[in-house]
Amino acid sequence: LAKTTQPISMDSYEGQEVNITCSHNNIATNDYITWYQQFPSQGPRFIIQGYKTKVTNEVASLFIPADRKSSTLSLPRVSLSDTAVYYCLVGDRNFGNEKLTFGTGTRLTIIP
Amino acid sequence: DGGITQSPKYLFRKEGQNVTLSCEQNLNHDAMYWYRQDPGQGLRLIYYSQIVNDFQKGDIAEGYSVSREKKESFPLTVTSAQKNPTAFYLCASSISLEGTEAFFGQGTRLTVV
Repeated sequence: LAKTTQPISMDSYEGQEVNITCSHNNIATNDYITWYQQFPSQGPRFIIQGYKTKVTNEVASLFIPADRKSSTLSLPRVSLSDTAVYYCLVGDRNFGNEKLTFGTGTRLTIIP
Repeated sequence: DGGITQSPKYLFRKEGQNVTLSCEQNLNHDAMYWYRQDPGQGLRLIYYSQIVNDFQKGDIAEGYSVSREKKESFPLTVTSAQKNPTAFYLCASSISLEGTEAFFGQGTRLTVV
């Protein structure tokens, strides 16, 4: 399983764009990159998934360079409600096909 | 409506007692998982099951047991052999053969008193 490395914590002001980078040097050819968000005392929830280049949905964008050894989650114009822990996972596209593991994630704090 | 339900939300246990955490899903998902989360830490995988009547140990299975007799249900028993059982427990499910995301329950906070 590819190991991931993320910053432990980040702070940002409301209204700014936030970029969280994840390193995954040993990513395999079949691996996808998935990001989850977790609020205190709640289960994580899916944000976005991608394989290469750029993926965008109503919540975030995911940028993946050609070598796929890293990825960047971009949150546009953050608000206080975006304060949460963000996890980067690398593995099979189908979550159920292997035991995907969560690291410690990145604790994002939005400042008013 | 569809989802994954964990109960109870809070659970207190005396040392030396076994306790079972419930996890039910009505999403028709094949795969189910149990994770443990300690304060300020990430999620650690305890057990997972990809199909009924089959389950695999995760990274920290010692002191825990599970069963998967029905597709909808994946209960976790925290036994007296688990040395530090106080934690936040999360159950998740996903479609095994297709689908790209896992759905999590709201968690059970277990406290040993």
